[in-house]
Amino acid sequence: DARVTQTPRHKVTEMGQEVTMRCQPILGHNTVFWYRQTMMQGLELLAYFRNRAPLDDSGMPKDRFSAEMPDATLATLKIQPSEPRDSAVYFCASGLGPPNTGELFFGEGSRLTVL
Amino acid sequence: AQKITQTQPGMFVQEKEAVTLDCTYDTSDQSYGLFWYKQPSSGEMIFLIYQGSYDEQNATEGRYSLNFQKARKSANLVISASQLGDSAMYFCAMREGRGYSTLTFGKGTMLLVSP
Repeated sequence: DARVTQTPRHKVTEMGQEVTMRCQPILGHNTVFWYRQTMMQGLELLAYFRNRAPLDDSGMPKDRFSAEMPDATLATLKIQPSEPRDSAVYFCASGLGPPNTGELFFGEGSRLTVL
Repeated sequence: AQKITQTQPGMFVQEKEAVTLDCTYDTSDQSYGLFWYKQPSSGEMIFLIYQGSYDEQNATEGRYSLNFQKARKSANLVISASQLGDSAMYFCAMREGRGYSTLTFGKGTMLLVSP
């Protein structure tokens, strides 16, 4: 059963610490997305990769966030230094481009709490 | 302007009844796709149904159907014969354009199904 795998599922850290979240997209998918979910803002796009190349990271605070795809099986999202306002659930999703519908398959999310 | 608007923060329905969750969208593209996702309390995002802008028939998937009214730019989700397990957050989302694109999500509607 193919699925997007995210680690860690839960992370509690102190302000100023580095946080790295990892995602294994579904094998064969060529698009990978990072979304952040908060009560106030809902689901916000942070970064978007196609064939491992970053296409859109306009939603990501550049001074502290970075997203990479070192290979087709791994996407990472780093926050350095973390701040309390970064507390959220971070979702990774993968999908296929045209001619497919563009449906995204989501991981279970990484719940981050920054104290 | 918001791309996706879900005006119902919460909805209540009795088991076995039908319920409609509203979604309106804003785009100038002729080609686009509309999606509904379900997020139960466990947190995962589950794809429910898809409607393409050129699809002439309303999409259906089991108990889910999408009431697509293109001129009104609405894509309401209809759940027939509600079940207790349908209690969840429901998100409407849109992909714009024919090519590779991101999904933009609405703020969601919380559905509670009572016995």
